[in-house]
Amino acid sequence: AQKITQTQPGMFVQEKEAVTLDCTYDTSDPSYGLFWYKQPSSGEMIFLIYQGSYDQQNATEGRYSLNFQKARKSANLVISASQLGDSAMYFCAMSRGDSSYKLIFGSGTRLLVRP
Amino acid sequence: GAGVSQTPSNKVTEKGKYVELRCDPISGHTALYWYRQSLGQGPEFLIYFQGTGAADDSGLPNDRFFAVRPEGSVSTLKIQRTERGDSAVYLCASRIGGSGDNEQFFGPGTRLTVL
Repeated sequence: AQKITQTQPGMFVQEKEAVTLDCTYDTSDPSYGLFWYKQPSSGEMIFLIYQGSYDQQNATEGRYSLNFQKARKSANLVISASQLGDSAMYFCAMSRGDSSYKLIFGSGTRLLVRP
Repeated sequence: GAGVSQTPSNKVTEKGKYVELRCDPISGHTALYWYRQSLGQGPEFLIYFQGTGAADDSGLPNDRFFAVRPEGSVSTLKIQRTERGDSAVYLCASRIGGSGDNEQFFGPGTRLTVL
């Protein structure tokens, strides 16, 4: 069975500094996708970044990068130059490499950016 | 363009009542997903539609839950004989469909409270 583990219930970071949010996963599928979503207090889920299991390079999207270590089954999110608006819940998720693309989510990490 | 919309935004009902939750996906998106997010947890998959058909309903918790998408666009999640444990935020997401396009776009959710 697939599983996503986020071991940090809460994190603090100083504004303008970088922060790493941890995510490990478990799957026996050879093909899968890894996602990070941001959920502000308003509740909507905002897509941040995607990494495919066969992608050779780590994904980057602006200030977001995904540190993908396949052998360790980890997909950590790195946010550079944190901003106050980055304060939110962050969810790591995985999809199988089948046609459904349904997502399995972790329990989330609450990030608080301090001014 | 318009994103995924969900109505109502909030629904309060009494135990044992029937409720319907509506999702309007992004126009042209053939894939539609329902997830349920309980307080303090990540979203959990309920059901996936490809077009009009439910391609994967493995996440529906029991036969009180049912969803339809009769014309391949709007979807309705139906819950019979509601229980207090059904209280959660119900999220809908849509994806353009087909292979190679992974991003799911989420709606704002419907917060269901069963008294």
